[in-house]
Amino acid sequence: NAGVTQTPKFRILKIGQSMTLQCTQDMNHNYMYWYRQDPGMGLKLIYYSVGAGITDKGEVPNGYNVSRSTTEDFPLRLELAAPSQTSVYFCASSGGSSSTDTQYFGPGTRLTVL
Amino acid sequence: AQSVTQLGSHVSVSEGALVLLRCNYSSSVPPYLFWYVQYPNQGLQLLLKYTTGATLVKGINGFEAEFKKSETSFHLTKPSAHMSDAAEYFCAVSNNNQGGKLIFGQGTELSVKP
Repeated sequence: NAGVTQTPKFRILKIGQSMTLQCTQDMNHNYMYWYRQDPGMGLKLIYYSVGAGITDKGEVPNGYNVSRSTTEDFPLRLELAAPSQTSVYFCASSGGSSSTDTQYFGPGTRLTVL
Repeated sequence: AQSVTQLGSHVSVSEGALVLLRCNYSSSVPPYLFWYVQYPNQGLQLLLKYTTGATLVKGINGFEAEFKKSETSFHLTKPSAHMSDAAEYFCAVSNNNQGGKLIFGQGTELSVKP
């Protein structure tokens, strides 16, 4: 049981390039989330999904897109990378719709845009 | 709207000393409160959570937190710090209307001196 896995661990992008951050969970969780973590700012929710085919915006969605074609996978797409997107990105999942459910986090992807 | 404030971005204690990390929240509806820990270069993992019932909540690794509604606080404590407790700690809030979404505080980095 690997939990939540993310690839890649590190990536350097040039301004204007695009990339997809991958996230997979093997716990059969319905809910999945993407956060970004900036120093001294805590975690901000980018997008979330309540099940395959259903996604919604979080607090900071601009510049990102997501899709959820399967229960396991929740990729995050950056179309035109900007320096403001330099951050650490975390994917998380939880088992149900209850707000008391624990979220399980992946190890993160550290992205630098130059 | 909900919010979380963690007092002190950095706390330093000696090994064996009391650990106290402060968290205050703002919520117009009954909150659910969480403490997550992030060890260096890792994702977040749940330390403890308050949903309903007993206001003193015990978590992993000897940590506990007390929900005080009158003070809108959920401070994290541990009687005796260990070197392995050095990490970043995040307080987070949710509620029944949030659909599982968490609002995080900005984090407190705990250092433990030998």
